[in-house]
Amino acid sequence: QLQLQESGPGLVKPSETLFLTCTVSGYSISSGYYWGWIRQPPGKGLEWIGNIYQSGSTSYNPSLRSRVTISVDTSKNQFSLKLNTVTAADTAVYYCARASHNFDSGTSLSHYMDVWGKGTTVTVSS
Amino acid sequence: QSVLTQPPSASGTPGQGVTISCSGSSSNIGSNTVNWYQQLPGAAPKLLIYSNNQRPSGVPDRFSGSKSGTSASLAIRGLQSEDEADFYCAAWDDSLNGHYVFGTGTKVTVL
Repeated sequence: QLQLQESGPGLVKPSETLFLTCTVSGYSISSGYYWGWIRQPPGKGLEWIGNIYQSGSTSYNPSLRSRVTISVDTSKNQFSLKLNTVTAADTAVYYCARASHNFDSGTSLSHYMDVWGKGTTVTVSS
Repeated sequence: QSVLTQPPSASGTPGQGVTISCSGSSSNIGSNTVNWYQQLPGAAPKLLIYSNNQRPSGVPDRFSGSKSGTSASLAIRGLQSEDEADFYCAAWDDSLNGHYVFGTGTKVTVL
């Protein structure tokens, strides 16, 4: 059964770098699909951070693109999130997820996250 | 900043129906398919509807999705107490090199 588990520090100091890892079990990242990160600030809605394909091809949220890097390690069946120069606004629950990305009919793109991790809370504070 | 707009709240009594709207633009809903996620209190989001109107295995047929132009809707038929949750629409947006956007979210309350 496919499972995703986020891991990383729960507390990061302002201006430092946030680094999270998502470990995938029950499915090989190399077999396909996209792998993504989503976050949710306390009491707020969902925000897509970005995703990566097994080949290393990435897409990012335009508002975070300058600070975000998503990478994949197929040997460990993991993918990671790096967010530079964090502030209190980056405090959130961070989720990793598997994403399906296909053309539905013609040019209509179907992209959705079908399996999610349970999430990990990251607080940015000194 | 969400580019898909949803009503902040919706409610109904057990057995009633509820519909949640999701308004977007030509670069997202107008061009690509819509998905819906359900987030129960304290839990991770769960995929509820994908590709406008498809239900993943295990999702009751009380939930249905539709899309028209640059808007979409989620209908819940026969509301149950366990449906009380936050619901988010989402779609791929073709602008700015392509990215995924979520709706603002709708809190459904079962009265």
